[in-house]
Amino acid sequence: AQSVTQLGSHVSVSEGALVLLRCNYSSSVPPYLFWYVQYPNQGLQLLLKYTTGATLVKGINGFEAEFKKSETSFHLTKPSAHMSDAAEYFCAVSPTGNQFYFGTGTSLTVIP
Amino acid sequence: DAMVIQNPRYQVTQFGKPVTLSCSQTLNHNVMYWYQQKSSQAPKLLFHYYDKDFNNEADTPDNFQSRRPNTSFCFLDIRSPGLGDAAMYLCATSRGTGRMTEAFFGQGTRLTVV
Repeated sequence: AQSVTQLGSHVSVSEGALVLLRCNYSSSVPPYLFWYVQYPNQGLQLLLKYTTGATLVKGINGFEAEFKKSETSFHLTKPSAHMSDAAEYFCAVSPTGNQFYFGTGTSLTVIP
Repeated sequence: DAMVIQNPRYQVTQFGKPVTLSCSQTLNHNVMYWYQQKSSQAPKLLFHYYDKDFNNEADTPDNFQSRRPNTSFCFLDIRSPGLGDAAMYLCATSRGTGRMTEAFFGQGTRLTVV
């Protein structure tokens, strides 16, 4: 079964500091991997995705993630946090592209 | 340009009274999903339709049903809502398999059971 684990349910960073949100997946074959962001009382918005090809993926709002097969990881980073980045972040996996399974989420707080 | 539209945004229903949540899409995507998201938890996949083919997750309670009368619309029926069914319900769509896949989400319907 496909699953993702997000280490750290809450992460706090200072404005301007590096953001690092961790995601590890379990799969016998590399799945499709995604990061979504959710603001309060809203749906989920895609930040970035990895399907095939380049392992360093750039997304919206300055976020990027690197697929590392050897570590079964897909960590999300942003060089400099902004106040508007405060939200809930979900890592997701899709085995075939038509089912999406989400991690438990990481709540990001940005401290002024 | 709303692409996945959920109505209503907020729904209050009585304990045990059937309720239907609606989702429509303008993307012409093959796949439509329903997720349940409880407070501070991950979205949990309830079921999805690939075209007309219905796929139920093994742990989805029988109390939850779905209908997809055409490509654009999908409904979530809760036959006898309990207090534990209060949650945000998210509808999503995707093109299906392949490298271009990603899930597009609606704004969600927050269900309150009284």
